[in-house]
Amino acid sequence: EVQLVESGGGLVQPGGSLRLSCAGSGITFSSYWMTWVRQAPGKGLEWVANIKQGGSEKNYVDSVKGRFTISTDTAKNSLFLEMNSLRVEDTAVYYCTTGRVGFDYWGQGTRVTVSS
Amino acid sequence: DVVMTQSPLSLPVTLGQPASISCKSSRSLVHGDGNTYLNWFQQRPGQSPRRLIYKVSNRDSGVPDRFSGSGSGTDFALKIDRVEADDVAVYYCMQGTHWPPTFGQGTKVEIQ
Repeated sequence: EVQLVESGGGLVQPGGSLRLSCAGSGITFSSYWMTWVRQAPGKGLEWVANIKQGGSEKNYVDSVKGRFTISTDTAKNSLFLEMNSLRVEDTAVYYCTTGRVGFDYWGQGTRVTVSS
Repeated sequence: DVVMTQSPLSLPVTLGQPASISCKSSRSLVHGDGNTYLNWFQQRPGQSPRRLIYKVSNRDSGVPDRFSGSGSGTDFALKIDRVEADDVAVYYCMQGTHWPPTFGQGTKVEIQ
């Protein structure tokens, strides 16, 4: 059974930083594209970033380019999202999910709140 | 970016009755490889999204057969044959044909 568990969310002031993690079991990250999707309070789903197996390709939504960095640690079967220069509009639940566009497995999400 | 437009945004349904959600894309979702990358997701209250349908009409494992997906090009639909209480959720369509992947606004299905 595939399980994805996110962690690292919390309350941070505008301009601050957070590092989100997604630990996987029942799945080998080295074989999958991995993706972060977020959901602002009461809103819909937004694709944020993804990373190809091996890390040779990374893509970001325009609103986070230059501020967020996606990475993986295949030895730990983990996915990360380093978030810097956080803005109020980055407030959301962040989900990790499998695949480039398939999104067949999802974690439970981790909540990020950016507020002064 | 490709805009995904769902309708209706709110769908009150009677238990046991059918329900249908429309999803229209601003561009054809037929990929150069011949596939159409259109998924449907269900998000129950307080839960993570769950994929129900991939590539227009393929049901995921464990998804009841009362859920079906159809469509082509720019027009797609998710149908629930007989709505059950467990189906109360927000449903999202999502396209993966064009970069970046984009989601519809979501359709809230509730029991009336």
